[in-house]
Order: sequence, then structure tokens, then C-alpha cells
Amino acid sequence: GQQLNQSPQSMFIQEGEDVSMNCTSSSIFNTWLWYKQDPGEGPVLLIALYKAGELTSNGRLTAQFGITRKDSFLNISASIPSDVGIYFCAGQLNFGNEKLTFGTGTRLTIIP
Amino acid sequence: GAGVSQSPSNKVTEKGKDVELRCDPISGHTALYWYRQSLGQGLEFLIYFQGNSAPDKSGLPSDRFSAERTGGSVSTLTIQRTQQEDSAVYLCASRSGQGESPLHFGNGTRLTVT
Repeated sequence: GQQLNQSPQSMFIQEGEDVSMNCTSSSIFNTWLWYKQDPGEGPVLLIALYKAGELTSNGRLTAQFGITRKDSFLNISASIPSDVGIYFCAGQLNFGNEKLTFGTGTRLTIIP
Repeated sequence: GAGVSQSPSNKVTEKGKDVELRCDPISGHTALYWYRQSLGQGLEFLIYFQGNSAPDKSGLPSDRFSAERTGGSVSTLTIQRTQQEDSAVYLCASRSGQGESPLHFGNGTRLTVT
């Protein structure tokens, strides 16, 4: 199935560092979402973006909906141990109840 | 419970056997999705139910896969004649269907075909 290009695939950082990951698509999406998945659990929504150019924050997390509607990035500031996990971007073509297309994921590891 | 519930949490089956995976969505949620997550991969869309509309089956990988949703609530994903490549985590999600409502995922069923 179709997937978004997400990078980097993995990151190894020290606690306190900032993190940046992005997602690109060949297709336009009207909604971009960022999820985090912990081991053995389903993804949990972190941030939702509904307008091109929108910049939204949720605590230490900041995400932007690219102006072309073909990309999005997620930044995490001052990382902490509980940030470890896999982060997925997801795009949705139209508002409302349609399927999401997911990125391939970014695995974040914090080096002690 | 308050969240999406999936059962079983783990399933080991022999190649060629049929399996049924169950999803109990959040009460009142009209939209229900099944996704598949292979080891180290992203989420692959399988099927989507919205109210009484015909389901979007465009993501089902083969005719061995089918799903139904009875009474607009519980859903069952059935895989017939399982193959080793069917081994994955099968995730169910639901949403309320009201405007820009978020997708809530269950914890998934980890299927291992031996």
C-alpha cells in the first residue's frame, strides 16, 4: 500500500537534545497528523494539523503543515526518556472519515 | 472500557489455518478501521467501515482477507488459509465521525503464523 516517506528512520540522541523529523509525499494531503507508538501499544495521536502553513505546539512538541501540503515536520525540544518510541506521520486527503496513509516511522532512542 | 479493545492480544497459528481477530470500538464511534503493521514497518491500511455505508476494502491484500462489522459496533477481521507473510500486528481504530475527530487505536493483535 501507499506510504509516506518519513526521515530519519532512526535517531540516537542524548537526553536534553532537540529532535526533528519530517515527512514528505508526492500527493497533496489536507490533514497531517503525528502519532507516537510505544512497544506493545497502538499509536497515540500527538498533534493534528488541518491548514497549510499551520504551526501547532503541544508542550515540547511542535509540528508544521507544509505550505505545499506535501510535507510536514515534527520537532521535540529538550528530549526526556519517555520520548523514546516510534513516531509516525499520517496524511488524510479529505476532512472527515477517510483512511489515513501512514509514514514509515522514526524510531527515537535516547542514549544514557 | 473507555478505549478500543482488541482480542486476542496474541495469536499463534499454523500455516493454512483460519483466524478471526476481534475489535470492540469506542462506544458511539461510527467509523472503524483495520490496519496491519509488519515488523519494523509503518501501518498499512486494510479496510474501513463508516456507519451503514459499504466498506472501503481497497487495502485488503488478497481474497483470503475479509472483515465485517455487525450492528455498527464490533468488527471481526478474518484471514483464511493463513500464510507466514500474514504474520504482523493487526491494529483496529475507531473515530466518532464528528468533524475533525481523532483516530483512537487499540493495542493490536500480534499474529504469528508458523
